[in-house]
Formats: sequence, structure tokens, C-alpha cells
Amino acid sequence: AQSVTQLDSQVPVFEEAPVELRCNYSSSVSVYLFWYVQYPNQGLQLLLKYLSGSTLVKGINGFEAEFNKSQTSFHLRKPSVHISDTAEYFCAVSDFGNEKLTFGTGTRLTIIP
Amino acid sequence: DAGVIQSPRHEVTEMGQEVTLRCKPISGHNSLFWYRQTMMRGLELLIYFNNNVPIDDSGMPEDRFSAKMPNASFSTLKIQPSEPRDSAVYFCASSLQGGYTFGSGTRLTVV
Repeated sequence: AQSVTQLDSQVPVFEEAPVELRCNYSSSVSVYLFWYVQYPNQGLQLLLKYLSGSTLVKGINGFEAEFNKSQTSFHLRKPSVHISDTAEYFCAVSDFGNEKLTFGTGTRLTIIP
Repeated sequence: DAGVIQSPRHEVTEMGQEVTLRCKPISGHNSLFWYRQTMMRGLELLIYFNNNVPIDDSGMPEDRFSAKMPNASFSTLKIQPSEPRDSAVYFCASSLQGGYTFGSGTRLTVV
């Protein structure tokens, strides 16, 4: 069975500074990886996904993530954050060929003006 | 496309009452998922369907919870009888070959 670890429950960052949200996964098979964002009182919105191919994946709102198989990581990055990026971010994994997603516990990103 | 549509957005009910949550997936998506989100437990998968058939219901907490998908465009999650510990936000999501689209959720409060 797969699992996802998001070590940082909260990350405060100054506006226009870079940010990295960490995600590590464990699985015995090949995986698909996802990052979702949840704004207050809303559902989850897909930021980006890795299914195959290039290990650097670009998503919406200027975010990108890099799949590192040897380190079993899929960290999310943005070079310059804005107030509007304040939200909860969830990393998720599914086994290849299985649509069931397992989510991490989330990282709350707070942007400091 | 209107996305995944859930109703109601908010539900307040008394302990012991029956609650029914509804979901309309995106047309053409063949998988549907029900999740529950709480502060204590995060996002928990309750059940998911593929081509209207329940595939994995291991996350359903107990017999008080039941879910149906009578056709490709509609699913329900029922709690009977409801208890205060069922208070949470319930999300429905649909998928076609990877990557979910979530609804806006139903915030359930059982008093």
C-alpha cells in the first residue's frame, strides 16, 4: 500500500520569496503523483500531476514539482509567492493502474506581506 | 462543463436523523469517489465506484454509512442514523484516467 508524508504542517513565507513544500511517498510499484491546492471553504483543485515522462512538471499559478525516484520525493516549488497563494496544499499518490488516491496530511502555506 | 456538483452545500441536522448527500460527476468520467475531511483525520477515502460499481468501500466507517451510484450521472452518500462525530466536510470527486476533479463539498453538522 502506498503512503504520503508531508513533513511540514505549516510554512510561513514572505511575499515574493521562493517556497518549497516537501512531499515524500512510499510505494512498492510505479506511481502517479499529484499536488492539489485547497483555498478556504473550497474543494481541492489540481495544481499539477506526474504520470510519466519528464520529471519536472509545470502546473498552474507558476508552481512546478520534480519527481525524484531515488529519493521517493515530489517537492512543490514556486520562485516567487503572492498573497493569493495562501492555502492548504496536498500531495497525493496512486499506484500505476489504480485510480485510488492517497493524500498527505497537507501543508498550510501562509504568505507574510 | 459545470464540474462536479454536490448538494446541499451545508446541512445541519439533529443526531439520529437520516442525512443524504448528493453528487453529480463530470459527464464522461467513469470513476467517482467520496471523501471525508476533518481537522483530526484529514482527507479520508470512504468509497469509490468505477463504471457505477463499488470497487473499494473499506473506508466506510460503519454500517450507518451507505453509498449508491444508480447511474453514471448520480451518486448518494447516506448516513442513518447520524451522530455528532459524523460532522465533517464531505467531498465527491470524479475522474477519467488519472487526476480527480473535486466538488465544492457538503459541510455537515450534526447537533
